[in-house]
Amino acid sequence: SQKIEQNSEALNIQEGKTATLTCNYTNYSPAYLQWYRQDPGRGPVFLLLIRENEKEKRKERLKVTFDTTLKQSLFHITASQPADSATYLCAINAGGTSYGKLTFGQGTILTVHP
Amino acid sequence: EPEVTQTPSHQVTQMGQEVILRCVPISNHLYFYWYRQILGQKVEFLVSFYNNEISEKSEIFDDQFSVERPDGSNFTLKIRSTKLEDSAMYFCASSPTNTEAFFGQGTRLTVV
Repeated sequence: SQKIEQNSEALNIQEGKTATLTCNYTNYSPAYLQWYRQDPGRGPVFLLLIRENEKEKRKERLKVTFDTTLKQSLFHITASQPADSATYLCAINAGGTSYGKLTFGQGTILTVHP
Repeated sequence: EPEVTQTPSHQVTQMGQEVILRCVPISNHLYFYWYRQILGQKVEFLVSFYNNEISEKSEIFDDQFSVERPDGSNFTLKIRSTKLEDSAMYFCASSPTNTEAFFGQGTRLTVV
C-alpha cells in the first residue's frame, strides 16, 4: 500500500542549531514533493517544492533534498529560531492523473528552544 | 500578499443539516481544492476543481458532498446531510499551476 511517513512525531532543538526532518514514502513515484508549515488551528503554508529530477532546493534558511532511489526527502532549517516552532508537513503530488492532488504525511512537530 | 479566504471560521450544525462552506481563492489561480483535517489526523484531499468541473475526488467525497463555483470569485463546498464524522477543519486551497497549493485558514465544522 502507499505510505508517506515522517519519521519523528516531535523534534526538540536548541535555537541556532539545524533542524533536520525526514519524509519517507513507499509505492509512489512522485512528480513533486513539497513541504508545508502548519501552525495550530491554521491552514498549511507552502514552503518549498522539489521535482523528481532535482536533488536539492534552497530558500533562505531552508533546504530540501530529494532522493528518489531511497524514496526520501530531508528538510533542513539552519540557524533555527523559536519562531520556526510549528508542525512541518511533507506532501506528494503523485503525478499523472493525480497531478494536483496532494497526499500529506502526518507531520513533525518542531520546537525550537531559546 | 493575496490570500485564500474562507467563511465562516466556525460552523456548528445539527446532524442531518446541510452546510455550505465558502471560499474566495486567489484571484488569478485556476485550480481549486478542498481538503479536510480531523483533529489530530493528517490533512486529507477531498476534491480538485478546474475549468468548472471536478478533476479528481477522493473516496471521502461521496454523494453527500458537492462543489460549485457560482461566480468568478467564490468556490463552495456543500455537505447535504451532515454526520458526526464530518466534524473537522475544512481547508480550501488554490494554485496557479496545479502544483503548490495556497491554503485558507480553514472552517472548523462541528456536527452535534
